[in-house]
Amino acid sequence: NAGVTQTPKFQVLKTGQSMTLQCAQDMNHNSMYWYRQDPGMGLRLIYYSASEGTTDKGEVPNGYNVSRLNKREFSLRLESAAPSQTSVYFCASSATGWVNQPQHFGDGTRLSIL
Amino acid sequence: KQEVTQIPAALSVPEGENLVLNCSFTDSAIYNLQWFRQDPGKGLTSLLLIQSSQREQTSGRLNASLDKSSGRSTLYIAASQPGDSATYLCAVSQGAGNMLTFGGGTRLMVKP
Repeated sequence: NAGVTQTPKFQVLKTGQSMTLQCAQDMNHNSMYWYRQDPGMGLRLIYYSASEGTTDKGEVPNGYNVSRLNKREFSLRLESAAPSQTSVYFCASSATGWVNQPQHFGDGTRLSIL
Repeated sequence: KQEVTQIPAALSVPEGENLVLNCSFTDSAIYNLQWFRQDPGKGLTSLLLIQSSQREQTSGRLNASLDKSSGRSTLYIAASQPGDSATYLCAVSQGAGNMLTFGGGTRLMVKP
């Protein structure tokens, strides 16, 4: 019953360092998403991948890149981390990118940028 | 731009009470509305999904309603229990890719 698995669970970076957050799902879902959750701002979509081989920007894509490595894996990369990127990052997946499919979330990566 | 608001931001009730959480959204052109539960330090768990053509969905002690034209949804929790204590989030789906816009959540505490 793994569902959506995110690694690492916690990370501390220095400003300017780079890092890749990993996400994998074992539900054979087509669509995957990256969100960030900040106090007072709720969850906001960073990038999504409606299907293998496609990626699109969400509400807050600046400072991030993504790779849909295969159907199971969707990674989020911070090329030059900034303190404003301190947040909790959630990966999610759904059966399709079309409507009326619930999204399933991982437990999150808690990232601090010093 | 879609905006989703949840009121109240926090709620504390004694065990056994029936309660209602509110969610409102500004753009009625949605595909569906979803209610999630988030426990501290954890991810989100999907509770109910209401399609835009539906009026309500039920799961156990939970009942969610949707009035798309007025931009409102409610989550009704019957006979609340301490285990219901969590943050409840609503989100609306719009556009290609089933993208979700979230409300800020209601933090619920059910006291024994």
